[in-house]
Amino acid sequence: GESVGLHLPTLSVQEGDNSIINCAYSNSASDYFIWYKQESGKGPQFIIDIRSNMDKRQGQRVTVLLNKTVKHLSLQIAATQPGDSAVYFCAENPSRNSGNTPLVFGKGTRLSVIA
Amino acid sequence: SQTIHQWPATLVQPVGSPLSLECTVEGTSNPNLYWYRQAAGRGLQLLFYSVGIGQISSEVPQNLSASRPQDRQFILSSKKLLLSDSGFYLCAWSHIAGAAYEQYFGPGTRLTVT
Repeated sequence: GESVGLHLPTLSVQEGDNSIINCAYSNSASDYFIWYKQESGKGPQFIIDIRSNMDKRQGQRVTVLLNKTVKHLSLQIAATQPGDSAVYFCAENPSRNSGNTPLVFGKGTRLSVIA
Repeated sequence: SQTIHQWPATLVQPVGSPLSLECTVEGTSNPNLYWYRQAAGRGLQLLFYSVGIGQISSEVPQNLSASRPQDRQFILSSKKLLLSDSGFYLCAWSHIAGAAYEQYFGPGTRLTVT
């Protein structure tokens, strides 16, 4: 997509503070969403997912919120730690009831934790 | 458990040389397979995906090609590399159909074309 050529936006957060990373999606038919974390030089790793029949899902120190009305997804990280520094991608499954369509990835946000 | 392998981990190739990157998946059968490219400090660009042996969908027209000679093997190739082919190449797999849509990524190959 056109966003892959853009430099990633950066979010700087003080260690111990909460982080909120936002993502807008465009397809109202998307039924599944994932957040990935990509550390430097590594492949993206799954953090948390949420289905469209839910508004909120919590994991360990992370919470994903889904607002289908405005097509917005957010990832909240509690008590941000230096190890949270990475690039975070949201992804959506654009085809309802199909596992054969590639996920559509957002442009990514670089989280920088200040010690 | 399932694992995904990519090799080589890093590669430096001159312009005009051929390319072959390999990806294999263990511990599952009939996966969907994907190739992505990521330029430095950029997002993920889907290049190819495959839902079965010999079935390749191309997302971006370019001088790269992909092949799936075996169920759990996905190969990315080029006959002549361009400088713009430099980047971090990621292979991923997912379960075919069903309710699980998560894509699992490999460790990546960093390609530098000189």
